[in-house]
Amino acid sequence: SAVISQKPSRDICQRGTSLTIQCQVDSQVTMMFWYRQQPGQSLTLIATANQGSEATYESGFVIDKFPISRPNLTFSTLTVSNMSPEDSSIYLCSVPAASGPAQFFGPGTRLTVL
Amino acid sequence: AQTVTQSQPEMSVQEAETVTLSCTYDTSESNYYLFWYKQPPSRQMILVIRQEAYKQQNATENRFSVNFQKAAKSFSLKISDSQLGDTAMYFCAFIPMYSGGGADGLTFGKGTHLIIQP
Repeated sequence: SAVISQKPSRDICQRGTSLTIQCQVDSQVTMMFWYRQQPGQSLTLIATANQGSEATYESGFVIDKFPISRPNLTFSTLTVSNMSPEDSSIYLCSVPAASGPAQFFGPGTRLTVL
Repeated sequence: AQTVTQSQPEMSVQEAETVTLSCTYDTSESNYYLFWYKQPPSRQMILVIRQEAYKQQNATENRFSVNFQKAAKSFSLKISDSQLGDTAMYFCAFIPMYSGGGADGLTFGKGTHLIIQP
């Protein structure tokens, strides 16, 4: 399975500011996914990041709020912009398995917005 | 669109007992994959087991096995000889087979909090 790291592991931010979360994979992957897990809730897909093209966002998520970069096949960033307390969540990146449809997840970034 | 439902928000069993977590799903797809993921307090998502819908045989991984009933759209997870380290949130997840190349995200259920008591 891929080894995935995320930075930061946690952060506490003020309302109205932005935070950029990094996701690094130890192997090249075509697709990377970003999920949000609100407190006590399940995971919801935010967007799919494909290297060399614009990210594809799920319903309810927009690029202005969650801009994503995918500069190469091992790295992606997710920015949470103009944050409000409702953005307090765990943000996880994932990548597909080398064979088959399973996904492997990073350790997550716990964001608290005051 | 597909939905995944886990009707048990929380379960608690004694160590060494067997426990079954329920999952139902709704989809118009005929071929797909189903997964169980475990999320311990560390919040790391760990793949427990997977099942291909075209396979009639239920998947097994050591103490973990599934009961896959395609007609009923049911996919339960059985944990045998439960251990304290099994305490975690368990999520059922779905992905259509046409996404075998990894183009789609997973659809998750709301999760079941499993507590193993000593």
